[in-house]
Amino acid sequence: DAKTTQPTSMDCAEGRAANLPCNHSTISGNEYVYWYRQIHSQGPQYIIHGLKNNETNEMASLIITEDRKSSTLILPHATLRDTAVYYCIVRSDLLTTDSWGKLQFGAGTQVVVTP
Amino acid sequence: EPEVTQTPSHQVTQMGQEVILRCVPISNHLYFYWYRQILGQKVEFLVSFYNNEISEKSEIFDDQFSVERPDGSNFTLKIRSTKLEDSAMYFCASSETERGRTYEQYFGPGTRLTVT
Repeated sequence: DAKTTQPTSMDCAEGRAANLPCNHSTISGNEYVYWYRQIHSQGPQYIIHGLKNNETNEMASLIITEDRKSSTLILPHATLRDTAVYYCIVRSDLLTTDSWGKLQFGAGTQVVVTP
Repeated sequence: EPEVTQTPSHQVTQMGQEVILRCVPISNHLYFYWYRQILGQKVEFLVSFYNNEISEKSEIFDDQFSVERPDGSNFTLKIRSTKLEDSAMYFCASSETERGRTYEQYFGPGTRLTVT
């Protein structure tokens, strides 16, 4: 089962920032927070990941709370092409007998960007 | 920008037939994965593969499934005797690996398998 909780859906106006919350209260010390998105049954697309520091790349920013029990993905200026299902996934990068790197997808958040 | 490619984009087969889905991972990646997504459902992990052997497989990945890296570029998923419930999108993914760690996975566009 997925270790994260996300809202089922959210709307966002084009040009505005989209803030997508995720709860991961049982995250372990060696687990990263990953965000992917899936646009209409295309392959999941990697967005960003982080361990405890905030991260930013050309697609988005990731804000992780100090206790690491929740995070927020920020799309700074949403466009219509950002309409997708967004997945928050916790995963360890270490290869161990408990984890060989697989991603466990939940239901994600359906984000609809409206004009 | 390097990307994972998959062929075919759509495969239609009859129940009981064998199918092979093909993937070309990103060239410097050494860790490979297959996932599937039944229409309207979650993306599900099937198998991970490294150094010419399976690292991990899910309960879905039973004896009807097999994976292979037949050459230096391709990574394949074979379903020996397809069932109606195998109809799904199948996604290949790859990632870099180094010193006991794997990094972000990059997914292909998927193969839509329809079993009739």
